[in-house]
Amino acid sequence: DAKTTQPTSMDCAEGRAANLPCNHSTISGNEYVYWYRQIHSQGPQYIIHGLKNNETNEMASLIITEDRKSSTLILPHATLRDTAVYYCIVSDPSNAGGTSYGKLTFGQGTILTVHP
Amino acid sequence: EPEVTQTPSHQVTQMGQEVILRCVPISNHLYFYWYRQILGQKVEFLVSFYNNEISEKSEIFDDQFSVERPDGSNFTLKIRSTKLEDSAMYFCASSGASRGTQYFGPGTRLLVL
Repeated sequence: DAKTTQPTSMDCAEGRAANLPCNHSTISGNEYVYWYRQIHSQGPQYIIHGLKNNETNEMASLIITEDRKSSTLILPHATLRDTAVYYCIVSDPSNAGGTSYGKLTFGQGTILTVHP
Repeated sequence: EPEVTQTPSHQVTQMGQEVILRCVPISNHLYFYWYRQILGQKVEFLVSFYNNEISEKSEIFDDQFSVERPDGSNFTLKIRSTKLEDSAMYFCASSGASRGTQYFGPGTRLLVL
């Protein structure tokens, strides 16, 4: 089962920032937080990941709380093309915990709808 | 930009028939995966593959399923005797050294009649 909790759906106005929250209170020390999105039955698309520091790339920013029990994905200027299901996933890419060889466990995600 | 490709995009088969789904991962990637998504449901992990062997598989990946990397570029998923409940979108993915950063193909939609 997914180790994360996300709101079922969110709305955002085009051009505004979209802030998608995720709770992962049982995250272990070896696990990273990954964000993927899926646009209308296409293959999931990697967005960003982090361990404990905040991260930014050309697509988004990831804010992870100091206790690592929650995080927020920020799309700074949402467009209509950002309408998708967003998945927050915790995974240990190094298999240091001996439980995963990179397996991604998807939950239901958050359906983000960007309105004109 | 390199991408994962999958063929065919759609496949219709009769129950009990064998199907082979094909994937070409990103060329310098080392880890390969199959996932599936039944219509309206979550994306589910099937199997991971590294160094020509299965690293991990889920309960879904039973004896009817097999994977192979026959020629160093293709990565295939075979379903030996398809069932109605195998109808789903099947996604291939690959990753480099950072296994959590996976790049997914566009999927093969399999319909078993």
